[in-house]
Amino acid sequence: GENVEQHPSTLSVQEGDSAVIKCTYSDSASNYFPWYKQELGKRPQLIIDIRSNVGEKKDQRIAVTLNKTAKHFSLHITETQPEDSAVYFCAASGAAGNKLTFGGGTRVLVKP
Amino acid sequence: DAGVTQSPTHLIKTRGQQVTLRCSPKSGHDTVSWYQQALGQGPQFIFQYYEEEERQRGNFPDRFSGHQFPNYSSELNVNALLLGDSALYLCASSPESGRKTTEAFFGQGTRLTVV
Repeated sequence: GENVEQHPSTLSVQEGDSAVIKCTYSDSASNYFPWYKQELGKRPQLIIDIRSNVGEKKDQRIAVTLNKTAKHFSLHITETQPEDSAVYFCAASGAAGNKLTFGGGTRVLVKP
Repeated sequence: DAGVTQSPTHLIKTRGQQVTLRCSPKSGHDTVSWYQQALGQGPQFIFQYYEEEERQRGNFPDRFSGHQFPNYSSELNVNALLLGDSALYLCASSPESGRKTTEAFFGQGTRLTVV
C-alpha cells in the first residue's frame, strides 16, 4: 500500500521567515495530495491541495509543489506568523478513492 | 451548515469493554471515512463507508467495525478494547464523485481513553 514520509518532524522559524515541509510517497498511482493544519486539540483543516496534473499551486502565503517523477511534494509557507504555529500533515490519495494516507506530521513553531 | 459532527467528544472506557462512536457528515456528503490518530502521529485510515457498505478498509483488526445509515451518518464500533486503542478517532466526510478524489472534511474527533 501507499507510504508517505514527512520531514522534518519539527521546524522552528523566526516570524517573517519561510518554512518548507517535504513529503515523499510510494504509490505512483496517487493523484491527490492535500495538506492539513491541526492546532492543538482541534480537527485537521485542509489548507491547500494539489492534483497530479498540476506542478504548483499557490494560495496567498502558502504554496505546494509536486514532482511526480521523484514522487515528492512540498509545502511552502512564506512570511510566517505566530498563528502559523501548528502541526502540519501531508497526505496522498490515489486510485483507491478517497482513502488518505498521512505523513507523520511536522510541528511548526513560529517564534515572534 | 454544522460541518462534520462527532459524538461524544471524550470517552473513558475500561479494557475489554465495547465502544460506539458516532459521526454526522457535512450536508451533501455521502461518503464517511474513519481514522485513528495516536498521540503525536498522523491519522491512520480505518475504513470508509459509501451507500451503507464498507468500501475500503485499512490495516485494523475485526474488532473495529462500522455502519452507515440511510441518512449517511455513521458509527464506529470497537470491541474488546485494548490500552493501545486509546487515541483520537476522526471522522471525515466527502462527496462521492466517481473516480476523482475529493476534499475530505474532518470532524473534531472523539478522544477515547482506555484504562
